[in-house]
Amino acid sequence: DTGVSQDPRHKITKRGQNVTFRCDPISEHNRLYWYRQTLGQGPEFLTYFQNEAQLEKSRLLSDRFSAERPKGSFSTLEIQRTEQGDSAMYLCASSFVAAISEAFFGQGTRLTVV
Amino acid sequence: KNEVEQSPQNLTAQEGEFITINCSYSVGISALHWLQQHPGGGIVSLFMLSSGKKKHGRLIATINIQEKHSSLHITASHPRDSAVYICAASNFGNEKLTFGTGTRLTIIP
Repeated sequence: DTGVSQDPRHKITKRGQNVTFRCDPISEHNRLYWYRQTLGQGPEFLTYFQNEAQLEKSRLLSDRFSAERPKGSFSTLEIQRTEQGDSAMYLCASSFVAAISEAFFGQGTRLTVV
Repeated sequence: KNEVEQSPQNLTAQEGEFITINCSYSVGISALHWLQQHPGGGIVSLFMLSSGKKKHGRLIATINIQEKHSSLHITASHPRDSAVYICAASNFGNEKLTFGTGTRLTIIP
């Protein structure tokens, strides 16, 4: 297993367009997290799944954002009607639920909205 | 809501120097994570600790639960250690991470 993979690595889109990102977690990991990181800041929590269930969403996740994890495997994060403020690095992490879980991160998808 | 603070924000040192990065958090946590982020964005987990001290090569991480404080030390620093180091606190239960803003470390040859 090669770890957590994210696709695409970079995305440039025009304001108002929709974009979708994909995350493939480590295969035996049942938890999957999405974080967003803007320039010069630490990442911020967006949402997380345990298996296919989305258990928590941040208030950062406006109604233009939706995330899915069908069948508890890969996950997608869609942003509709993108705005310039959506420009950021979107990071995915996965872990195996335990008392204390180490998180494994993907390389991230850098979104630029022009 | 947990607040995680790191210091310093930026650190420049000569090769070979001993490096310390500090992290404090405001509420109880299940674990404290130290992460490394290189240009391009990928994040690598260095340590996850809930008590005491861990060592991996030239890197040492310590945590004081009572004081809600952790430190990351790098001995005999090398230019390849140049990166952003981020501490993050994980919540009990959902294990979601609350991150500090990171410390940009530059080691000059």
